[in-house]
Amino acid sequence: EAQVTQNPRYLITVTGKKLTVTCSQNMNHEYMSWYRQDPGLGLRQIYYSMNVEVTDKGDVPEGYKVSRKEKRNFPLILESPSPNQTSLYFCASRTTPSTDTQYFGPGTRLTVL
Amino acid sequence: ILNVEQSPQSLHVQEGDSTNFTCSFPSSNFYALHWYRWETAKSPEALFVMTLNGDEKKKGRISATLNTKEGYSYLYIKGSQPEDSATYLCAFDTNAGKSTFGDGTTLTVKP
Repeated sequence: EAQVTQNPRYLITVTGKKLTVTCSQNMNHEYMSWYRQDPGLGLRQIYYSMNVEVTDKGDVPEGYKVSRKEKRNFPLILESPSPNQTSLYFCASRTTPSTDTQYFGPGTRLTVL
Repeated sequence: ILNVEQSPQSLHVQEGDSTNFTCSFPSSNFYALHWYRWETAKSPEALFVMTLNGDEKKKGRISATLNTKEGYSYLYIKGSQPEDSATYLCAFDTNAGKSTFGDGTTLTVKP
């Protein structure tokens, strides 16, 4: 089944404790992206990747890192999480940057205490 | 940061009503406009990808139009059903891969 998977789905952590949210897709998509969603707001892009070893900042990259060493994986790293990073995170992928359907993962709900 | 606006913020209609919402975006550097449907506790699901001025797309009772010169897109739902209740998001994409979403229109359809 074609899908985007994220782990963990739920995470409660404390300020300053490094964490990684994994994202993997099995559709051989070149493009992958991370978004966060906060109450009352739409999705805001954190980072995106057009292909392996190519990453770019979205609108809200501060406090996050990403890497794209393999086509299928695009982990999101929070080196020192803070309470303002409490949010719902979605990973997504598609074949071309903008003209194809984008598929979303199930989401990761992160709480930073 | 690009400005993508959706209106109205929320909408309550009766079953059988037809409705429409608006997505406004910058008219310069347009590459693609996406519409998504997002149900509570689920992931956003793609409805349409629109790239050409004058594009019209249709999927069942839902259709969308695109005007890139004036920077807006309309989403129409004909004969709304309770299962249409969801948040509808639009996203403006540049050719560099950057994607900016509107805050969404939340539709509630009452039986």
